[in-house]
Amino acid sequence: AQRVTQPEKLLSVFKGAPVELKCNYSYSGSPELFWYVQYSRQRLQLLLRHISRESIKGFTADLNKGETSFHLKKPFAQEEDSAMYYCALLNYGGSQGNLIFGKGTKLSVKP
Amino acid sequence: KAGVTQTPRYLIKTRGQQVTLSCSPISGHRSVSWYQQTPGQGLQFLFEYFSETQRNKGNFPGRFSGRQFSNSRSEMNVSTLELGDSALYLCASKVSDTQYFGPGTRLTVL
Repeated sequence: AQRVTQPEKLLSVFKGAPVELKCNYSYSGSPELFWYVQYSRQRLQLLLRHISRESIKGFTADLNKGETSFHLKKPFAQEEDSAMYYCALLNYGGSQGNLIFGKGTKLSVKP
Repeated sequence: KAGVTQTPRYLIKTRGQQVTLSCSPISGHRSVSWYQQTPGQGLQFLFEYFSETQRNKGNFPGRFSGRQFSNSRSEMNVSTLELGDSALYLCASKVSDTQYFGPGTRLTVL
C-alpha cells in the first residue's frame, strides 16, 4: 500500500545549524513527491515539488529511489523556519490522484 | 489571484446534527479536493471533484458527501455527526497535480 513515513515528530535545532527532515515512501510506481509547510496560524502551503528540482527558502529535497526517500534539507536553519513540515505522495491509485501525507515533523529552530 | 477560501472558518455542532462546509477554489481551477486533519490521523483524503463530478474518494463512511457546482465551488456535507468528526477540514484546488490549500474549517462536535 502507498504510504509516507516521517519518523520524527519533533526536530529541534539551533539557528545556523543544518536541518534534515526525513521522509520515506512506499509506492509501486514512479513517485511524485511534495513538501508542504504550515507556519503557525497559516494555511498549508507548498514548499517544493521534486520534479521542479528547485530550492525554496534555502530548502532542497532529492528523490532517492533506491532508498525510497525524499529528505528535506537546509544547510543553515533560521528561526523563521520553525513550522510543521509535511511530506506528501501523489497517489494515482487508478484514479485522478490525491495526496497521501505523512504525519508531519514539527521543526523548532532555537536562537 | 485570490487563494482558496473556505466558509465558515469555525463551527460548533452537537452529535447527530449535520453540517455543510463550503469551498471556493482559485479562479480557473476546476478540481477541488477535501481533506480531514486530526491530531491522531493527520491529513486524510476525503474526495475530489472535477467539473461537477466526483472522480476520487477516500476511505470515509457514506455520512461524508460532497458536490461541486458549475462555478467550481464545492460543498461537503457530514450527516449524523459523531464526536470523532471533530477536525480541521481542508479544501484544496489543483492545477498540474499541485494542490493549493484553503485555511480550513474547524469543526467541533459536542
